[in-house]
Amino acid sequence: KNEVEQSPQNLTAQEGEFITINCSYSVGISALHWLQQHPGGGIVSLFMLSSGKKKHGRLIATINIQEKHSSLHITASHPRDSAVYICAAPANTGNQFYFGTGTSLTVIP
Amino acid sequence: NAGVTQTPKFQVLKTGQSMTLQCAQDMNHEYMSWYRQDPGMGLRLIHYSVGAGITDQGEVPNGYNVSRSTTEDFPLRLLSAAPSQTSVYFCASSTGGLSYNEQFFGPGTRLTVL
Repeated sequence: KNEVEQSPQNLTAQEGEFITINCSYSVGISALHWLQQHPGGGIVSLFMLSSGKKKHGRLIATINIQEKHSSLHITASHPRDSAVYICAAPANTGNQFYFGTGTSLTVIP
Repeated sequence: NAGVTQTPKFQVLKTGQSMTLQCAQDMNHEYMSWYRQDPGMGLRLIHYSVGAGITDQGEVPNGYNVSRSTTEDFPLRLLSAAPSQTSVYFCASSTGGLSYNEQFFGPGTRLTVL
């Protein structure tokens, strides 16, 4: 069993749609990370959150520590949001991640 | 700040050759890591370091060597390249442990072993 499960694996949306990507984890964590990998390959950190909700532009991340679940929402999606989104849970040591398998998002104009 | 830099961007090796992938960061980060990314496998940790002089193995360390003589640099050595090491390699750094610190990634090195 994977420590971190993401859904859906692939997602196609029309421009302007509201998008939700889900992440469930089985390990105890202090914070969950959301990463974005663009088609060119570069990886950037979007959010690190330990409770509640964080917002950055059109991106919103929420986490429920008790339910071990996090969601990444994109409002008013745009083709430039097309990327792979990865959730990552730090192991207890804090030295390495358990990675989700990623959600490949394509936003069509 | 340049952030995390990696060289080279692309590399083709023959089986049995050795090489070093370079990684440097200018943010004075203590934690540095090497990952490989293969289609359908996601990111997997090869080696990591929690500070100069300290390294440890990750999930897939076989065939790779690392050292950390300075805070800035964390090179990854392939001792005798094999086709199974064809992958995209990412270096990353953070201020401290991943439980509370954002991780910054380099642009990646695409390695092909023939």
